[in-house]
Amino acid sequence: DIQMTQSPSSLSASVGDRVTITCQASQDISNFLNWYQQKPGRAPKLLVYDASSLETGVPSRFSGSGSGTDFTFTISSLQPEDIATYYCQQYDNLRVTFGPGTKVDIK
Amino acid sequence: QVQLQQSGPGLVKPSQTLSLTCAISGDSISSKTAAWNWIRQSPSRGLEWLGRTYYRSKWFNDYAVSVKSRITINPDTSKNQFSLQLNSVTPEDTAVYYCARDRGVGSTLFDYWGQGTLVTVSS
Repeated sequence: DIQMTQSPSSLSASVGDRVTITCQASQDISNFLNWYQQKPGRAPKLLVYDASSLETGVPSRFSGSGSGTDFTFTISSLQPEDIATYYCQQYDNLRVTFGPGTKVDIK
Repeated sequence: QVQLQQSGPGLVKPSQTLSLTCAISGDSISSKTAAWNWIRQSPSRGLEWLGRTYYRSKWFNDYAVSVKSRITINPDTSKNQFSLQLNSVTPEDTAVYYCARDRGVGSTLFDYWGQGTLVTVSS
């Protein structure tokens, strides 16, 4: 099975800061990588799909990049409402796996 | 706007069967592009995809290896919903269970989710 790692596991940043999260796959997954935001007590919400495509209605401060095994998720200017845990997710040959998550809070 | 509404018990005894239902509005269980999924989340296992059902001229199911011997996902076209059955549960199956839609274009992704159901396995 393809393993997903995320770093950091948690971070604190100030409002307006640029925040970057990385996700690494144990083997090449092309661009089959999606990013979700999950707030406490809520279901995950799709933000970015196919590594770099922004889901409809998602603010443009969120973005994604990468291909192969290394991917990056960026919040260009952190807002108070962005406090959440962020997960990457890959799909390969009938197997779906999620990363362990990165918890983002305000410093 | 697609909505997924989950229902089912929050407490199941060990060795018994966990059963949940996900009612769909705004889309069809028989969609020829979408797939209908169950995903669970626990502190120990994180987010774990369990399986899916989908229609492409006939019905298909795919299941995660970790639960393949115990899981059944069934569509119900008369009620536009789908269900999850997980047999022989243990406390390790305690988790928040979500249903979710994969819209079926491009890679597998989950664009609509149910509200989640906390299922506790305990006697």
